[in-house]
Amino acid sequence: GAVVSQHPSWVICKSGTSVKIECRSLDFQATTMFWYRQFPKQSLMLMATSNEGSKATYEQGVEKDKFLINHASLTLSTLTVTSAHPEDSSFYICSILRGRGTDTQYFGPGTRLTVL
Amino acid sequence: SQKIEQNSEALNIQEGKTATLTCNYTNYSPAYLQWYRQDPGRGPVFLLLIRENEKEKRKERLKVTFDTTLKQSLFHITASQPADSATYLCALNRMDSNYQLIWGAGTKLIIKP
Repeated sequence: GAVVSQHPSWVICKSGTSVKIECRSLDFQATTMFWYRQFPKQSLMLMATSNEGSKATYEQGVEKDKFLINHASLTLSTLTVTSAHPEDSSFYICSILRGRGTDTQYFGPGTRLTVL
Repeated sequence: SQKIEQNSEALNIQEGKTATLTCNYTNYSPAYLQWYRQDPGRGPVFLLLIRENEKEKRKERLKVTFDTTLKQSLFHITASQPADSATYLCALNRMDSNYQLIWGAGTKLIIKP
């Protein structure tokens, strides 16, 4: 399967600061990446679909000005949580789609964000 | 709206027995259904995909069935081992997308030695 990395694996920040999370596809040029958020004992919630070279598509209820996504290359997508608040504390996970016509997603290890 | 239900209670199984997990869905006829494994603090790992025209799929000790009439998928692990302990998630393709998924909350499986 594809190898996807995320950095950092965990981060603690103060309320009001911004945090950037990187998602890298290490062995595949991914045109499509997904960003999810997961609260404890809850299902994965899709935040946005990121396509290389174009603007991300955000899910209903996800503020695009708060969660900035940049998919600048085929191997890197970044999620920036701007002006973070305690309610943004969650587990953020990215995944990639290995080409069109495939349905399986390969996930990164996730980033635990804690906002104090 | 599309809805997926997985048993929220943890499933405790004795080592060596078969573990069976259930995924029910409503308001939709998905083109495919997938099962993933998620360990604590980690991202999900793909296990199996089954399409709407398939009744059953196997991979080593894993077996998935797909009953489109009952709107249900069963996920079986035979000869279960403590290393199989994890949370298992099912996911369906979204009604408005061929590749975006909606997810169940997962069932925690505990295999006791």
